[in-house]
Amino acid sequence: GEDVEQSLFLSVREGDSSVINCTYTDSSSTYLYWYKQEPGAGLQLLTYIFSNMDMKQDQRLTVLLNKKDKHLSLRIADTQTGDSAIYFCAEKMAGTASKLTFGTGTRLQVTL
Amino acid sequence: NAGVTQTPKFQVLKTGQSMTLQCAQDMNHEYMSWYRQDPGMGLRLIHYSVGAGITDQGEVPNGYNVSRSTTEDFPLRLLSAAPSQTSVYFCASSLGGLGMNTEAFFGQGTRLTVV
Repeated sequence: GEDVEQSLFLSVREGDSSVINCTYTDSSSTYLYWYKQEPGAGLQLLTYIFSNMDMKQDQRLTVLLNKKDKHLSLRIADTQTGDSAIYFCAEKMAGTASKLTFGTGTRLQVTL
Repeated sequence: NAGVTQTPKFQVLKTGQSMTLQCAQDMNHEYMSWYRQDPGMGLRLIHYSVGAGITDQGEVPNGYNVSRSTTEDFPLRLLSAAPSQTSVYFCASSLGGLGMNTEAFFGQGTRLTVV
């Protein structure tokens, strides 16, 4: 089945690192994505990782993928108030033409 | 480029009314989809289309119809609105293609309230 789960809320202090976690159940996923949603806006792609990779780094963002445990994480270094948003992980399964399954979203709150 | 444009941004309907949510993209994307976003449930796929003239059901299609007469437009029709359809609706488009990494571009959303 297709099920992507995330914790609903995370609070961190400005300057600290944030780690947002995601678990998925479909082992045939080809790509896994992180999207960011700011208040009142649509989703924007932050980063993605191909299923044959373990890690991907992009400036302050680090994505870790553990295929054995079906666990994906997004680490944001030096978290800023502008990072406050809802973060969604999403998976694309093999054999699907861009059909994405999204997680429940994690609301990140950055405090001073 | 305008990207993905959704109209209206806000709408209040009475139970039983019908309406169409509009979605248009100017990126020549083949793949378009409609999601609804509800608190604590993430985004759930309503309907999607892999090209003009082709549509298919997603996870929560009941109460909604779609059509894809052109590559650019993918309207979502609510046949007889119910309070359970109160939600934020997002349209998305992407290049599509099996095995491809394709970024999905989202519209700004339509906040629908059914009273």
